[in-house]
Amino acid sequence: GIQVEQSPPDLILQEGANSTLRCNFSDSVNNLQWFHQNPWGQLINLFYIPSGTKQNGRLSATTVATERYSLLYISSSQTTDSGVYFCAVPGYGGATNKLIFGTGTLLAVQP
Amino acid sequence: EAQVTQNPRYLITVTGKKLTVTCSQNMNHEYMSWYRQDPGLGLRQIYYSMNVEVTDKGDVPEGYKVSRKEKRNFPLILESPSPNQTSLYFCASRGTGAGTQYFGPGTRLLVL
Repeated sequence: GIQVEQSPPDLILQEGANSTLRCNFSDSVNNLQWFHQNPWGQLINLFYIPSGTKQNGRLSATTVATERYSLLYISSSQTTDSGVYFCAVPGYGGATNKLIFGTGTLLAVQP
Repeated sequence: EAQVTQNPRYLITVTGKKLTVTCSQNMNHEYMSWYRQDPGLGLRQIYYSMNVEVTDKGDVPEGYKVSRKEKRNFPLILESPSPNQTSLYFCASRGTGAGTQYFGPGTRLLVL
């Protein structure tokens, strides 16, 4: 099955710093999502980005489907950005509705 | 507001006592799924449903049941919970096509 790897696994930032998180996937995909899991466990949709670039406030994402990677940019980080960031792609067969989640990047933003 | 809701959000129970976790979505989505999240194992799909009365097993269905009698609801049933079902559970939904999948707020279950 498709493999999804994220880097770095852990990241510690000072408030105000910028960061780039990477998601590599082993096979072609027709969609990709980025999520933020906050310290309370909730999974927050950030982007649905099968290709191209999208921006939402301080966050932006770029997916290069032909090269099988996606990047999530966080600018001017805040303590509320802390948590785990996941990318996810569809599993085999569209009917299963299954998402394959990456290994995650644990982000800690210090004041 | 488009959303997926789950109840309860937190539950402590004992081995063997049947429980149901409800899931509801207000987006008229066809597809719904249940996942569990465990440390070191990530999120794994338990069951999914393509539409009313159409359900199928995901990767870890043992010990769980589901039903889809109405399009908006997809309850997860644990007939006889065991401690290895202690986990964080998520319900998710999406419409037809390769669109955004929306997740509920999660249910933390502890089985003693």
